[in-house]
Amino acid sequence: GENVEQHPSTLSVQEGDSAVIKCTYSDSASNYFPWYKQELGKRPQLIIDIRSNVGEKKDQRIAVTLNKTAKHFSLHITETQPEDSAVYFCAAMGYNQGGKLIFGQGTELSVKP
Amino acid sequence: GAVVSQHPSWVICKSGTSVKIECRSLDFQATTMFWYRQFPKQSLMLMATSNEGSKATYEQGVEKDKFLINHASLTLSTLTVTSAHPEDSSFYICSAEPPGGGYGYTFGSGTRLTVV
Repeated sequence: GENVEQHPSTLSVQEGDSAVIKCTYSDSASNYFPWYKQELGKRPQLIIDIRSNVGEKKDQRIAVTLNKTAKHFSLHITETQPEDSAVYFCAAMGYNQGGKLIFGQGTELSVKP
Repeated sequence: GAVVSQHPSWVICKSGTSVKIECRSLDFQATTMFWYRQFPKQSLMLMATSNEGSKATYEQGVEKDKFLINHASLTLSTLTVTSAHPEDSSFYICSAEPPGGGYGYTFGSGTRLTVV
């Protein structure tokens, strides 16, 4: 089955700096890669996603890149703000995997003012 | 957008008792729902896939008889933790496949279970 590795586990940046979180996946059949933001005690919120037929997607300060050959994808947050502080999870899902989302281990992002 | 309601948001129960958690799709029909468990400072681990009108599919290592899943209607899936023990204390969260299938899975608000 699918396995998703996420790095780093913790990331601390100064307000205004950029943050990058990286994930690798194992199943070449996976074709959907969402990113979730989770604040303490709350549900994960989808912030951006990308499908395998696209190499990059951007939404304001957030962007995701996908390298299918290397089987890795990354989240880029620019001009970070304190309210970006949270745990971020990447996930992967395959067309033939019954709709299951397999999550990475999570990255705790801390943005210092 | 698609909304998933989950209840209760938190529950405390005594060891040996059972607890039922409900997950409802409010404005759409969800033929498939997913149940996850999340321990503190850890990731979401998929426990099982709930399919309306059929038996749930459990992930490897998840005890079917301990975590009973029922998906009796197109808008309701329930997870019952039977004979709960302190090690079952966790954050349980459901997710529903969006209308029409595809992508953009939405999550319930989660249930914090504490077994004492």
